[in-house]
Order: sequence, then C-alpha cells, then structure tokens
Amino acid sequence: DAGVIQSPRHEVTEMGQEVTLRCKPISGHNSLFWYRQTMMRGLELLIYFNNNVPIDDSGMPEDRFSAKMPNASFSTLKIQPSEPRDSAVYFCASTVDRGLRGYTFGSGTRLTVV
Amino acid sequence: QKEVEQNSGPLSVPEGAIASLNCTYSDRGSQSFFWYRQYSGKSPELIMSIYSNGDKEDGRFTAQLNKASQYVSLLIRDSQPSDSATYLCAVNMNNFNKFYFGSGTKLNVKP
Repeated sequence: DAGVIQSPRHEVTEMGQEVTLRCKPISGHNSLFWYRQTMMRGLELLIYFNNNVPIDDSGMPEDRFSAKMPNASFSTLKIQPSEPRDSAVYFCASTVDRGLRGYTFGSGTRLTVV
Repeated sequence: QKEVEQNSGPLSVPEGAIASLNCTYSDRGSQSFFWYRQYSGKSPELIMSIYSNGDKEDGRFTAQLNKASQYVSLLIRDSQPSDSATYLCAVNMNNFNKFYFGSGTKLNVKP
C-alpha cells in the first residue's frame, strides 16, 4: 500500500495567489481529514469527510479556505487568496472503522506564503 | 481548558532510562486514545492505541489509561537516541471519527 499521498511536498507562493493542495487517501479508507500544523498552534483539524461527504468544517479558519472530495480517492484543499499567516504544514490523513485504529497521515505539504 | 493537554518539554533522559510522557483530557466520555511519534520534518506516526483502563504493552512501549483521572501516559523503556522525537497524544472526544491532538512533548534521549 502506498499510504496517503499528498502533493505537492513544498509550495512557495506569493500573497494573494490561489493554492491547491491534493490528497489521495489509502484505498478502502472512508474517512479523510485535513490538518494544519504550526509551532504556535500545533495540529489543528480543519475539515473531515466521511464517505466523500463533509461532516465537520468548523475548523476551517475563514471563507478563503475550501475543501472538496469529489470521489473516494481524491480530495483538495484550496486557499484563495493566500496570506502569509497561512504558512504551515498541511497534513491529510485517512482512516476506516470509525478511526478505531487511528489515522494514517500523509507526508504533508509545507506551504510558504511570501 | 484545552481538550487535550501535554507538557511541551523538552523531556531529556539518558540512553537506557525510562521516559514517561503524560497527557490529560477534558471529555470524560472519551473512548479511544492514541500516541503518535513525530520526527522533525516528518508526519505523525501511530505507535500505540489504548481503549480500556490499565496498561497495554508493545515492545519497549507501554500505554497506561486511567479514565477516572482522565489521564493517559506512555512509557518508553530502554530509551534510545532514535526515540528522540515529539510525542503527540490524541483522544476521541466521543465524536464520530474526530480526534483532538495535544500539542506534543519533545523527547531528547542523550547517548
């Protein structure tokens, strides 16, 4: 199994630009999560999907952030327009069985907005 | 009060010693508890899960859960320099698939 696959690994963009982060969950996992990690705030849950349906987006910081999961094998997190304070590592994670076995995280995308 | 609290450390222990990492949580109805290890620049990696009161052992790792005290801990025996990492506690707050993470404890194992 290739694990949770995220792309790109690194993204540097200018303030105001649109950024799209991508995630492919582990095949057969029916729940997908987007997290953001910073030194100051640690790991923050942004949104999670179950069976491709958004269940809880209360962690999405602003309307500039949006996430989609058009099918079981693909999800995107979009920031438009990006701001320097969005700089962080963004992780995607997936799980099955209501998370009883915990999550499997992707390698993350390190986003820098200048 | 945060949902999951950990001492940020760093916790420094000599090689071969026992490292003890602690975590408290706010929701008494929590059912599932996990420990993740995160090396610098890497993603969190699941190392232990525990669901009932008591101890659970896996190799050099022991997870301990006390639901009455809302306390979960991780013991690492015979600590190795390769155990140096940040350890994250995650708790299911009785919400569907939703886990809260502590801020992590940085462990340094000195040769």
